[in-house]
Amino acid sequence: RKEVEQDPGPFNVPEGATVAFNCTYSNSASQSFFWYRQDCRKEPKLLMSVYSSGNEDGRFTAQLNRASQYISLLIRDSKLSDSATYLCVVKANTNAGKSTFGDGTTLTVKP
Amino acid sequence: DGGITQSPKYLFRKEGQNVTLSCEQNLNHDAMYWYRQDPGQGLRLIYYSQIVNDFQKGDIAEGYSVSREKKESFPLTVTSAQKNPTAFYLCASSIRAGVTNEKLFFGSGTQLSVL
Repeated sequence: RKEVEQDPGPFNVPEGATVAFNCTYSNSASQSFFWYRQDCRKEPKLLMSVYSSGNEDGRFTAQLNRASQYISLLIRDSKLSDSATYLCVVKANTNAGKSTFGDGTTLTVKP
Repeated sequence: DGGITQSPKYLFRKEGQNVTLSCEQNLNHDAMYWYRQDPGQGLRLIYYSQIVNDFQKGDIAEGYSVSREKKESFPLTVTSAQKNPTAFYLCASSIRAGVTNEKLFFGSGTQLSVL
């Protein structure tokens, strides 16, 4: 079993739709959680950190459930420009704080 | 502007050849990392360095080597022992290793292909 698991998708949604991605992690020592966005053949870019109380940044909402060991990303009012791969990243407080990446969930927003 | 510079953008390797990927940062970050990404997969850690003159193996270090002689530079050599080197290679840095909520800054990547 992978340390960080994501539904690979692809998720194909119309503009304006609401879409949610989940990510599960197996290391209970994990302390930091992030969502990165990656466009094709480009470097990942930080979308948002995920805090215990949940957090929102415009159309994006991230939530953490430590008991069930999963994080989620909700995108409201999808735009064409949201089409990308979304990577879940989990960081432990051991092992020099190495980041472990999920394989990503691909989103395509269509007109 | 501060950032991470990777070069070259595209690199071709012949059988039995060693090649070196460059990574330079001017962010004054202590920690630097090399990741490999295969199509449809996430990033896997090859090597990381928490401080100058120190580096540690990641999850897939076999067939690779690194050096960290200067804080700004963390080159990766793909040796002939790496039998399947074709992949997208990403260099990253963070202010310090092992700090919670510390985000990664990435270079734009190098696509390595075998001739």
